[in-house]
Amino acid sequence: QVQLQESGPGLVKPSGTLSLTCDVSGGSISSSNWWTWVRQPPGKGLEWIGEIYHSGGTNYNPSLRSRVTMSVDKSKNQFSLKLTSVTAADTAMYYCARKSSGPIALDYWGQGTLVTVSS
Amino acid sequence: EIVLTQSPGTLSLSPGERATLSCRASQIVSSSYLAWYQQKPGQAPRLLIYGASSRATGIPDRFSGSGSGTDFTLTISRLEPEDFAVYYCQQYASSPLTFGGGTKVEIK
Repeated sequence: QVQLQESGPGLVKPSGTLSLTCDVSGGSISSSNWWTWVRQPPGKGLEWIGEIYHSGGTNYNPSLRSRVTMSVDKSKNQFSLKLTSVTAADTAMYYCARKSSGPIALDYWGQGTLVTVSS
Repeated sequence: EIVLTQSPGTLSLSPGERATLSCRASQIVSSSYLAWYQQKPGQAPRLLIYGASSRATGIPDRFSGSGSGTDFTLTISRLEPEDFAVYYCQQYASSPLTFGGGTKVEIK
């Protein structure tokens, strides 16, 4: 059973950088899946941030592309998200998820981690 | 970018009733790469339906998905108490992946 677990600071200062990691267990990050980040502001809907393949290939949401970087660490079986120049609008629950190869969509999700942007 | 519009915003029903949720896309969703997720308070979304009509592993058969092109539907045949939640549709045919705004199914 694949499990994902997000980790990182819960509080980031405005104009700072949000950095999160997602640990993958029960499966290899080098499998044929895309590893995804999704966020959800308090009381609002879901927003796709982007995805990364184990080879390093990425797709980012154009609305965030200038501020987002994703990376993979195969040795640790984890992937990461960096979001720069954060503002209060970036306050959200951040989820990592697996997009299975083929038509299966986002089939495994982490429990999420709340990141608040505040001084 | 494919915009997904879900309706209604809120559905007030009683246990045992049938729920019909709609998701309309601004462009054709190719290969019917349309998924439905359920989210309960304080929890991550859970995949219910993928490929417009295939149930994910472990999902009860009271949940069914249908549709193609730009119009998709999630049906819950008989609402159980644990089904009261928010439901999101998502297209994953083209980047950026996008979600609908959600439909809240609440107890009447």
